[in-house]
Amino acid sequence: AQSVTQLGSHVSVSEGALVLLRCNYSSSVPPYLFWYVQYPNQGLQLLLKYTTGATLVKGINGFEAEFKKSETSFHLTKPSAHMSDAAEYFCAVSEQGAQKLVFGQGTRLTINP
Amino acid sequence: DSGVTQTPKHLITATGQRVTLRCSPRSGDLSVYWYQQSLDQGLQFLIQYYNGEERAKGNILERFSAQQFPDLHSELNLSSLELGDSALYFCASSAQPGLATDTQYFGPGTRLTVL
Repeated sequence: AQSVTQLGSHVSVSEGALVLLRCNYSSSVPPYLFWYVQYPNQGLQLLLKYTTGATLVKGINGFEAEFKKSETSFHLTKPSAHMSDAAEYFCAVSEQGAQKLVFGQGTRLTINP
Repeated sequence: DSGVTQTPKHLITATGQRVTLRCSPRSGDLSVYWYQQSLDQGLQFLIQYYNGEERAKGNILERFSAQQFPDLHSELNLSSLELGDSALYFCASSAQPGLATDTQYFGPGTRLTVL
């Protein structure tokens, strides 16, 4: 069975600082990996996804993530945090060919002025 | 705006009651997914439909049922409601389920409160 672990339920960074949100997954087959963002009282919005090919994936709003098979990780980064990045971030995995998403518990990102 | 619509936005009801949540997918998407987001369980996949047929089932209780209609909208029916059913219910839709190019687009959710 697939699973996702997000290290840190809450992360706080200063405006302009590096954002690093950690995600590790387990999957018995090559996975598809996703990061979604949820702003307060809104649905989930796709930030980026990895399916095949280049392991460094660039997404919206300056975010990127790197698929590291040897570490079973898919950490999300952004070089410089902005106040508007405050939200909850979810890492998700699906099996190739399967459709359901398996989500991590989420990481709430707070940006300090 | 993802293009996925869900109604109602909020629903408050009592234990033992039955409710129906409605979802309209993005134009052209044939697949609809239902997810439940609760404080203790997180975000969990419930069920998926593709062009009117059930495609995959997750942690959906027997008290819950869903269907997708010929116009592709979907309804999630929750019956014999319990306090623990209070959660945010999301609908998502996609065009090419299972393919690398596929993306699930999420609606704004229906917040269910069971008193």
